[in-house]
Amino acid sequence: AQSVTQPDIHITVSEGASLELRCNYSYGATPYLFWYVQSPGQGLQLLLKYFSGDTLVQGIKGFEAEFKRSQSSFNLRKPSVHWSAAAEYFCAVGSAGGGADGLTFGKGTHLIIQP
Amino acid sequence: DTAVSQTPKYLVTQMGNDKSIKCEQNLGHDTMYWYKQDSKKFLKIMFSYNNKELIINETVPNRFSPKSPDKAHLNLHINSLELGDSAVYFCASSLPTGSGYTFGSGTRLTVV
Repeated sequence: AQSVTQPDIHITVSEGASLELRCNYSYGATPYLFWYVQSPGQGLQLLLKYFSGDTLVQGIKGFEAEFKRSQSSFNLRKPSVHWSAAAEYFCAVGSAGGGADGLTFGKGTHLIIQP
Repeated sequence: DTAVSQTPKYLVTQMGNDKSIKCEQNLGHDTMYWYKQDSKKFLKIMFSYNNKELIINETVPNRFSPKSPDKAHLNLHINSLELGDSAVYFCASSLPTGSGYTFGSGTRLTVV
């Protein structure tokens, strides 16, 4: 069965500092990997996704993520965070090729930005 | 144009009542889903439908019954609501390749 682990429940960074959110997955075949962001009281917004090819993926809002098959990781990074980045971040894994299995989510990382 | 729309956005109801949440997508996707986000923000799939056919039915009480009248709609009916059903429910749809998932904005259900 597929699973996703986000080891950090909370992360606090200072405004302007760099950010890395960790994600490890377990999947028997080639995974499709996603990062979503959820602001308080809002829905889920897709930041970026990885299917194949270049292992460094660029997303919206200046985020990027790197797929490392050997480490089963898909960590999210941003060089400099603004206060507006404070939100809940979810990593998710899905089946390559589709089907109707849907996405399996990690438990989320709550990002706090210090002024 | 909202791609995946859910109604209502908020729903407050008493224990024992029956309620429905509606979902519609205008993306032409074949597959639709219901997810539940609990108070700890954990997102878990409840159901998936592919072209009106039920594919996944996770361990969900049978008080929850999805209905898909056509491939653009997936509604969720909940009977005999309990306090533990309080959560945010998200509808989503996806491409057949699994390469794109679009989520609705969620329905916050509060059972009192």
